[in-house]
Amino acid sequence: EVQLVESGGGLVQPGRSLRLSCTASGFTFGDYGLGWVRQAPGKGLEWVGFIRSKGYGGTTEYAASVEGRFTVSRDDSQSIAYLQMNSLRTEDTAVYHCSRGRTFRGVKYWFDSWGQGTLVTVS
Amino acid sequence: AIQLTQSPSSLSASVGDRVTITCRASQGISSALAWYQQKPGRAPNLLISDASSLESGVPSRFSGSGSGTDFTLTISSLQPEDSVTYYCQQFNSFPLTFGGGTKVEIK
Repeated sequence: EVQLVESGGGLVQPGRSLRLSCTASGFTFGDYGLGWVRQAPGKGLEWVGFIRSKGYGGTTEYAASVEGRFTVSRDDSQSIAYLQMNSLRTEDTAVYHCSRGRTFRGVKYWFDSWGQGTLVTVS
Repeated sequence: AIQLTQSPSSLSASVGDRVTITCRASQGISSALAWYQQKPGRAPNLLISDASSLESGVPSRFSGSGSGTDFTLTISSLQPEDSVTYYCQQFNSFPLTFGGGTKVEIK
């Protein structure tokens, strides 16, 4: 069974940093891209960032709202993905989900499994 | 960035009704659209990918159609457990984007 478990959320002051982790099991982690999607309280889904598998270059993509502040990385040896969040703002307050990316030829990605999320509160 | 406009933002229907949710893209995305269902306090769940491909384990009352800029998610016979929120997502290009969501309620 595919499982994704996020951790590392909490209360943080504006301008500070936080690193989220996503621990995966039940599949060959290195074969998949991983995404981060957030959901502010009472709001919809917002894609944050994505990292491709090493087979597709291991490159990253970011939403404009977090570009330059957030960094996605991965450790395939431990089946963990990370979201490093710097210069946090009050508008970054949200539940952050990690999600497994299914791909068409390494170009197009959608998300076929999701973690329950971890709450980040910037205040 | 490609914008996705979902409509309606909420709807109320009776058990057994046919329900249709639409998702319109600001530019053509071929069939690169997914639909997700999200129950309160839970992670989203993938229902449909590639506009019309039903995920394994998803009830057959769910179906998707469309290509280009106009897409629909149809529930052929609404069940009480379908009373949750639905989102579309385009994956034609980065940045990936989601629609604003449609909340389905039972009358």
